[in-house]
Amino acid sequence: DAKTTQPPSMDCAEGRAANLPCNHSTISGNEYVYWYRQIHSQGPQYIIHGLKNNETNEMASLIITEDRKSSTLILPHATLRDTAVYYCIVRVVGGSNYKLTFGKGTLLTVNP
Amino acid sequence: DGGITQSPKYLFRKEGQNVTLSCEQNLNHDAMYWYRQDPGQGLRLIYYSQIVNDFQKGDIAEGYSVSREKKESFPLTVTSAQKNPTAFYLCASSTLGGGYGYTFGSGTRLTVV
Repeated sequence: DAKTTQPPSMDCAEGRAANLPCNHSTISGNEYVYWYRQIHSQGPQYIIHGLKNNETNEMASLIITEDRKSSTLILPHATLRDTAVYYCIVRVVGGSNYKLTFGKGTLLTVNP
Repeated sequence: DGGITQSPKYLFRKEGQNVTLSCEQNLNHDAMYWYRQDPGQGLRLIYYSQIVNDFQKGDIAEGYSVSREKKESFPLTVTSAQKNPTAFYLCASSTLGGGYGYTFGSGTRLTVV
């Protein structure tokens, strides 16, 4: 699986959009971008994933650059409950590789 | 509601004792996983299983053992051979291939004294 690079921490004001970047410059054509988040002392929670097109669901939007070498997770109106570590992961879907490899992620702190 | 249940949430054991962590899912997922997390670190894969009665070692399998006798259950045993067993243990499940993401349990915090 391709390696990802994320900033170790970010701050955001409550009610504002939080934009979390992820660099995955070695991504290959069949690798998807996944985002998870982990609130302190809980299990990670799946947020969203995509291959090349931008994706949106009830939790967030995922913007993938045209060359697919980077992406941004957008939380449109951050709340205090969005304070968590956010993990960006790239991986092939299907086949025999089921593993998810987690890095250290970005600690997003939403301030009142 | 479908989900994945880990028990207990907190576990204390004396050094040298084996301990088994429970993980049960009712999502009808074929694949299940165990991860370990240490303070300030990402998750590291211990074992995973794609089908009943079959499992593979992850990146840090030494000192751990698993079984997969039922599709719903994937218990993890932390043996006395594991040198630093104190950690936060997370179980997860997914469909084959994991295309729709993993579902994680709420974790078991193991402390060995």
